[in-house]
Formats: sequence, C-alpha cells, structure tokens
Amino acid sequence: GAVVSQHPSWVICKSGTSVKIECRSLDFQATTMFWYRQFPKQSLMLMATSNEGSKATYEQGVEKDKFLINHASLTLSTLTVTSAHPEDSSFYICSAFASSPGLGAETQYFGPGTRLLVL
Amino acid sequence: AQRVTQPEKLLSVFKGAPVELKCNYSYSGSPELFWYVQYSRQRLQLLLRHISRESIKGFTADLNKGETSFHLKKPFAQEEDSAMYYCALSGSNTGKLIFGQGTTLQVKP
Repeated sequence: GAVVSQHPSWVICKSGTSVKIECRSLDFQATTMFWYRQFPKQSLMLMATSNEGSKATYEQGVEKDKFLINHASLTLSTLTVTSAHPEDSSFYICSAFASSPGLGAETQYFGPGTRLLVL
Repeated sequence: AQRVTQPEKLLSVFKGAPVELKCNYSYSGSPELFWYVQYSRQRLQLLLRHISRESIKGFTADLNKGETSFHLKKPFAQEEDSAMYYCALSGSNTGKLIFGQGTTLQVKP
C-alpha cells in the first residue's frame, strides 16, 4: 500500500530558530500534499495545500511567511517553521494525495506526524 | 459554510454492544464523505468512504443527504475498535479534507 513518511518524528528547538519537516511519499507520486496541525485532543486543522511545482495555497489565518512550504518533487514536500516560538509547538501531519489508479484512487495517505516543541 | 460536526467527544460501550458514531455535515454542493480512524500511537488511516459503499472491519456508513449525516455503525463492537474516529468531507477534486472534531470510541471488556 501507499506509505507516507515524515522526518523528523519529533524535534525540540529554541525559540527563534527555524525547523524543517519533510514529508515523502515512498512508493507513489503525489502531485498534491497537505499539511495539517493538530493540538492535543483536538482535530486536524488544514494549514496548506502543497502542489508540486507551484506555490502552496494557505488556509485562512495561516501565515505563509511563517510556515514555508516547498514541493520540489512529486515525492517530497517540506514545511519550514521559521523563527519558531512556543505557541508553534504542536503536532504537524502531512498527507499525500494519491490520484493514480490502483491505489484507491483519490485517497489521502497520512504521515505519522512530527511533534515540535519550541522552548 | 463547510463544516463537519461530530457531537460526541467520547463514546464508551461494552464489547458486543452496537455502536453508532454520529457525523453531520454542512456543504452546499455534493461532497464526498469519509471516516478516518487513528489507533493509539498510529497514523491516521482511511476506514471507509461513502462512494465505496463497503463494509470495513464490520463498520458501515450510509450517506443521508436529507439529514446531511454520515453516521458510522457497527452491530457488535470489539475491544480492538477502541480508537479515535474522524469524519471528514471533501468538496472538490483537489482532495482537500475538512475534519470533524473526532470521537474517541472506548470499548470496554
């Protein structure tokens, strides 16, 4: 089946530093990837849609200069939290949208998530 | 406005009892509805989608457009069904999902 990986699985950083999170589709190509944020015991909140070869589309209220998204290839999207602050501490989850037949067409496959703690 | 509502944060049942996790949605067009499940310490995974009209792990869900609901049901709950369940809606072919707040299902022995 389709597998999505995220790296790192957890990260602790100092306030003011930037953190990059990678999302990879391991055995399929994904023209679209999504980034979500999840607070403890809450639902997933869509942050942005990442399209290969074009600029990301951000949801209302998400600062695009703070959360930089790059989708450099059909298997890799990165989320960079710039100048991180304690309020950015959260669980970040990516998903890859599989649109090719044979993979449960038009299905999102989720990564395991990255836990970010900003001190 | 596009919205998915799961009214129950926690649903606790005994093993063998029937289960119904409620989901209501608000969408102006014809959405696609999904149920996702997240077992403890595992990633979110698709349980079922309304267009497939299939039963997965004994769970079924029927889309009721009149009541704008997509409730998840299982006649006999098992302990291994204990997990967080999310109802989600996709309203376009972009694949963008809107999630409900999630319901924790706890199946007691």
